[in-house]
Amino acid sequence: DTEVTQTPKHLVMGMTNKKSLKCEQHMGHRAMYWYKQKAKKPPELMFVYSYEKLSINESVPSRFSPECPNSSLLNLHLHALQPEDSALYLCASSLSGTSGIQETQYFGPGTRLLVL
Amino acid sequence: QQQVKQSPQSLIVQKGGISIINCAYENTAFDYFPWYQQFPGKGPALLIAIRPDVSEKKEGRFTISFNKSAKQFSLHIMDSQPGDSATYFCAASIMGGGNKLTFGTGTQLKVEL
Repeated sequence: DTEVTQTPKHLVMGMTNKKSLKCEQHMGHRAMYWYKQKAKKPPELMFVYSYEKLSINESVPSRFSPECPNSSLLNLHLHALQPEDSALYLCASSLSGTSGIQETQYFGPGTRLLVL
Repeated sequence: QQQVKQSPQSLIVQKGGISIINCAYENTAFDYFPWYQQFPGKGPALLIAIRPDVSEKKEGRFTISFNKSAKQFSLHIMDSQPGDSATYFCAASIMGGGNKLTFGTGTQLKVEL
């Protein structure tokens, strides 16, 4: 099973709301990623977790807060977002992120976020 | 220096034709070059990948050609089918670089009947 699941599929939120995106994988992967993708643009890396520890933060604003409660789950907590944060948020996972070889990243279908 | 340039931005090909998408990079430290395919409403999926120690890799109708000296690589889709209509992203990464992918800008491919 090479599936990464993401919930919800769609989310509409106001600028004062707090919401969370959820990602789950059961492939035994120990590296998980959050990407942001705007329409007709490539995915942009936001965060990387390796063995449940944050290993890369691509200077993402603090209104985005990642959390990795265990090796299968990855959350992205959202607070006080701006309309320009509207995008498709993609989660991905790979073997470990530290194996010293290139690892295939498996992407979920994404959560389409609209900030009003 | 971290950029990967991709062209064309969009491409229309007749069914049965050859689709060619090109990418170029500057950072000679890149040592892994995957191609991702993304359908509307879906996340990207790995299509095929190559390392710089080979000049060509073929998987079914998909071929990557790699020119290390020119710092260019390309995706060829033979016998293109309407089901190949999608957005294609080339990417590059450095082994030991945290598995971080640098994506190209994307090519929207449409295969017409």
